[in-house]
Amino acid sequence: IAGITQAPTSQILAAGRRMTLRCTQDMRHNAMYWYRQDLGLGLRLIHYSNTAGTTGKGEVPDGYSVSRANTDDFPLTLASAVPSQTSVYFCASSVLASSTDTQYFGPGTRLTVL
Amino acid sequence: KQEVTQIPAALSVPEGENLVLNCSFTDSAIYNLQWFRQDPGKGLTSLLLIQSSQREQTSGRLNASLDKSSGRSTLYIAASQPGDSATYLCAVRFAGTASKLTFGTGTRLQVTL
Repeated sequence: IAGITQAPTSQILAAGRRMTLRCTQDMRHNAMYWYRQDLGLGLRLIHYSNTAGTTGKGEVPDGYSVSRANTDDFPLTLASAVPSQTSVYFCASSVLASSTDTQYFGPGTRLTVL
Repeated sequence: KQEVTQIPAALSVPEGENLVLNCSFTDSAIYNLQWFRQDPGKGLTSLLLIQSSQREQTSGRLNASLDKSSGRSTLYIAASQPGDSATYLCAVRFAGTASKLTFGTGTRLQVTL
């Protein structure tokens, strides 16, 4: 069982380009999340999805979009990348079972926008 | 605003020492609090989850406590080892925020020989 996989591992991107970060989980979890991690700011939620077909905005959604066509996949798209989107991006998933909900994290994607 | 704070940002201790990491949060209405470990360049690994109704959780040499009324949690690590060196993150699921976790900025722990 792989858990959560993310691709690519790292990417250098020119400003203005479109980029999709991929996330796949094989645990049949209902909920999935995208976070970005920046030095001194910790992890901040970008978007989330409580179940396939639904998505919601997190703390820092501007410049990002997501879709949840099925249970396993939750891609994050940067329509037109800007340097401030340079960060490490983590995908996570959880069963979404009230007070015992534990989130499981992928290995991350390191994105540099020049 | 619902916030989570971890102090200190970094800590260095000699091997074998018992240590405590601190986490504070601004709203006592929470579903749960979770402690994670993050190794350099890696993702997060869940260590312990304490539900709102619980006071503590234990796993091996780790013990996490929760005091909602004071908005505090501690992670106690017994007999520290060099392999414990990592960043430890505290995250709170505040009530009314669905499944959203609010993270602290972490404490970077180094255990020296």
